[in-house]
Amino acid sequence: DAKTTQPPSMDCAEGRAANLPCNHSTISGNEYVYWYRQIHSQGPQYIIHGLKNNETNEMASLIITEDRKSSTLILPHATLRDTAVYYCIVRVGGTSYGKLTFGQGTILTVHP
Amino acid sequence: DSGVTQTPKHLITATGQRVTLRCSPRSGDLSVYWYQQSLDQGLQFLIQYYNGEERAKGNILERFSAQQFPDLHSELNLSSLELGDSALYFCASSPGQGASHNEQFFGPGTRLTVL
Repeated sequence: DAKTTQPPSMDCAEGRAANLPCNHSTISGNEYVYWYRQIHSQGPQYIIHGLKNNETNEMASLIITEDRKSSTLILPHATLRDTAVYYCIVRVGGTSYGKLTFGQGTILTVHP
Repeated sequence: DSGVTQTPKHLITATGQRVTLRCSPRSGDLSVYWYQQSLDQGLQFLIQYYNGEERAKGNILERFSAQQFPDLHSELNLSSLELGDSALYFCASSPGQGASHNEQFFGPGTRLTVL
């Protein structure tokens, strides 16, 4: 699985968009970008995933650059409950060998 | 609520002891994964089972073992416990083979403290 690089921490004001970057310059053609988050020692929570097109769901948007070497997770209107560690994970999709390799992630702190 | 349940929530035991952690996956999910989260190592994959069979192994110690039963629940057995085994242990489940992607649903975890 490709290695990812994320900033260790970021701040965001409540109600504003939070843009979390992730670099994955060694990503392979069959590898997906997944985002998970972990709120204060709870189990990690799936947010979104994508291969090469931009994706949006009820939680967030995922923007992947055309060369797929980086991506940005966007929380459009951050709330205090979005304070968490956000993990960007790159791995092959559609397989039963599904281990997730978590890095250090980005600690997002949303301020009032 | 992810639909994955883990018991017990907390476990305090002594060095040298053996414990069993239990996980019930979401209804219909065939794959179960175990992860360990310690302060110094972060979240690490331990082992995966699919429909009762071991599918992938990560950094799981020989003192640790797991199994998945016919009803698809899984147990993680930790023996000869050491202080360094103190950690949060998460179980996750996913639909498994054939799924278009591999979204995993995590349980609330079991916090193990070894004294």
